Amino acid sequence: SQQGEEDPQALSIQEGENATMNCSYKTSINNLQWYRQNSGRGLVHLILIRSNEREKHSGRLRVTLDTSKKSSSLLITASRAADTASYFCATDAVRILTGGGNKLTFGTGTQLKVEL
Amino acid sequence: EAGVTQFPSHSVIEKGQTVTLRCDPISGHDNLYWYRRVMGKEIKFLLHFVKESKQDESGMPNNRFLAERTGGTYSTLKVQPAELEDSGVYFCASSQEWAYTQYFGPGTRLTVL
Repeated sequence: SQQGEEDPQALSIQEGENATMNCSYKTSINNLQWYRQNSGRGLVHLILIRSNEREKHSGRLRVTLDTSKKSSSLLITASRAADTASYFCATDAVRILTGGGNKLTFGTGTQLKVEL
Repeated sequence: EAGVTQFPSHSVIEKGQTVTLRCDPISGHDNLYWYRRVMGKEIKFLLHFVKESKQDESGMPNNRFLAERTGGTYSTLKVQPAELEDSGVYFCASSQEWAYTQYFGPGTRLTVL
């Protein structure tokens, strides 16, 4: 079963508009992260929000987390054509004592297209 | 600082053949992960190394998959024999000790015909 599900699956907007993507998850988490994947490329880490945080900003990105609803949103303001990519949320739930590190559970992603 | 690198970028093999994927993590990163994305599905965890030890291999689909990380540096993922359902993109990621953020490589696209 999927831990993370993104909504919408696809989003098309005009340059300069804001883009909002949502992610829901099922189990308790330590952190939630957002990644971007440009076509044919690897995943690029965008932002991490801890389970005890409610909102975080990084440049044009704003992430919110509602642990009571097990959901998160990613807002990209003043979008640009270069923001066209797939966006994934990923959660980690287990804290391994030896050496740290947690496996990530991904959703299916939102494909964002920003048109000129 | 070099990022995570993976080799090859693409591999096309026939069913029944063997393929070995390689991942070089960021220097100094003790944690190394393998993930894969099959067509139309979400990215799924395969396994996690801490240095040379397998910390979690709960995501490995079956015994046709073998991962190694000798010396705690680079890692290989061997698929033997490959089946059609193994086609997909295999990602490697690494992170520092006790860090949550994982840095991903560009992936290896595996096609099994």
